[in-house]
Amino acid sequence: EAGVAQSPRYKIIEKRQSVAFWCNPISGHATLYWYQQILGQGPKLLIQFQNNGVVDDSQLPKDRFSAERLKGVDSTLKIQPAKLEDSAVYLCASSLLRTSSRNTIYFGEGSWLTVV
Amino acid sequence: GQQLNQSPQSMFIQEGEDVSMNCTSSSIFNTWLWYKQDPGEGPVLLIALYKAGELTSNGRLTAQFGITRKDSFLNISASIPSDVGIYFCAGLLFSGSARQLTFGSGTQLTVLP
Repeated sequence: EAGVAQSPRYKIIEKRQSVAFWCNPISGHATLYWYQQILGQGPKLLIQFQNNGVVDDSQLPKDRFSAERLKGVDSTLKIQPAKLEDSAVYLCASSLLRTSSRNTIYFGEGSWLTVV
Repeated sequence: GQQLNQSPQSMFIQEGEDVSMNCTSSSIFNTWLWYKQDPGEGPVLLIALYKAGELTSNGRLTAQFGITRKDSFLNISASIPSDVGIYFCAGLLFSGSARQLTFGSGTQLTVLP
C-alpha cells in the first residue's frame, strides 16, 4: 500500500515569496491533516479536512496560510507571503473515516521549507 | 489546547540496554500513538493504543495506555544502533467532528556502541 505522498521534499525561498506544498493521502483515507513541525518540537496541527470540507483550521494563520482539498483527495497548502518563522517541516497525514475508533494517523515524509 | 509532557527529553544509552520513556497529560485521550522520526523523514507509527490499560508489543517495543487515560509509556528492550532517533508520543482525542492529535516534545535517543 502506498503511503502519504508529499512534494516538494525541499524548498528554499526568500521572505515575502510564496510557496505551495502538495499532498496525496493514502488511498481511501477520508481525513487529511497538515502539520507544521519546527526544529526541535513536535508537529502542530494547522488544518484538518474530512473529504473536501474543513473540520478544524483553528491553528492556521489565515492571513498568510491557505489550504484546499477541492475533490476530497489530494490537497495543497500555500504560504503567501512567507516569513522567516515559517521555516519548518510541513507534514501531511491521513487517516480513515473519523468514526472508526481504531483509526491511526499516518504521515508523509514532509516538505522541508527554509525561508531566507 | 492540550499539552503533553514527554520525558526524558534525551537519552544516551549503551547498545543492548533497555529504554523507557513516558508521556503524561492533564486531560484524557481516546487513543495514544507512539511515533519515531529519523532525520529528514516524517514520523513513522510504531504502536497504537486504543483502550485504557492496553499493553501492546511490536517486536522489541512495548507500550501501555494508562488506566487514567492521561498517560502512556514506551519501552524498548535490548537497544540497537538503528533505534537512534526522536520518539514522539501523541494523544488522539475525538472532539465533535474533529480528531485532535497532540504531540509530546519528543525524546531524542542516542545508542552508543
